[in-house]
Amino acid sequence: EDQVTQSPEALRLQEGESSSLNCSYTVSGLRGLFWYRQDPGKGPEFLFTLYSAGEEKEKERLKATLTKKESFLHITAPKPEDSATYLCAVQAAGSYIPTFGRGTSLIVHP
Amino acid sequence: SAVISQKPSRDICQRGTSLTIQCQVDSQVTMMFWYRQQPGQSLTLIATANQGSEATYESGFVIDKFPISRPNLTFSTLTVSNMSPEDSSIYLCSVTSGRANTGELFFGEGSRLTVL
Repeated sequence: EDQVTQSPEALRLQEGESSSLNCSYTVSGLRGLFWYRQDPGKGPEFLFTLYSAGEEKEKERLKATLTKKESFLHITAPKPEDSATYLCAVQAAGSYIPTFGRGTSLIVHP
Repeated sequence: SAVISQKPSRDICQRGTSLTIQCQVDSQVTMMFWYRQQPGQSLTLIATANQGSEATYESGFVIDKFPISRPNLTFSTLTVSNMSPEDSSIYLCSVTSGRANTGELFFGEGSRLTVL
């Protein structure tokens, strides 16, 4: 059974304080690993897809990396507007739907 | 990108009643999904809404409790039947991005149901 574990559950940062969110996964053949951002009262918003170990994707202050067992979402010099819940999901080979983790709630204080 | 509208955005319901959630997409899509998001829990897929045929339900979800309609390629409804407080949750409609990888999803803003 595919499993996704995200840590920490919650993270508070000061503006400008860089950090990383972790997504550990177990899947029978990885088809893709996905990161989403979810603001309060909104649906998740797709950020990145990573396909193979060693791959990296960047968007503004966010960079996602992937190994064979985990993915990191690095946040460089975060701003208050980066506050949100970040969701990780994995899709197994042969499956058309992803399995989601519980998310990390990020709060960035000015 | 697809724009997805859900109605209602929130509702408070009485135990034993049923509520239907509507999902409208601004373009034709092949695959539409209904998810449930309970506090502190991961997004859980309820079912895949198939146009012209019965929905495909995930383990733990049944048609009698969550009947789904998909009359065309832009619209779907999810009904939560005979509600109990355990059904209090956010229900989300989603569609694939249209790219090859179906894990890239667009979501509606969700329908927050509270059952008293």
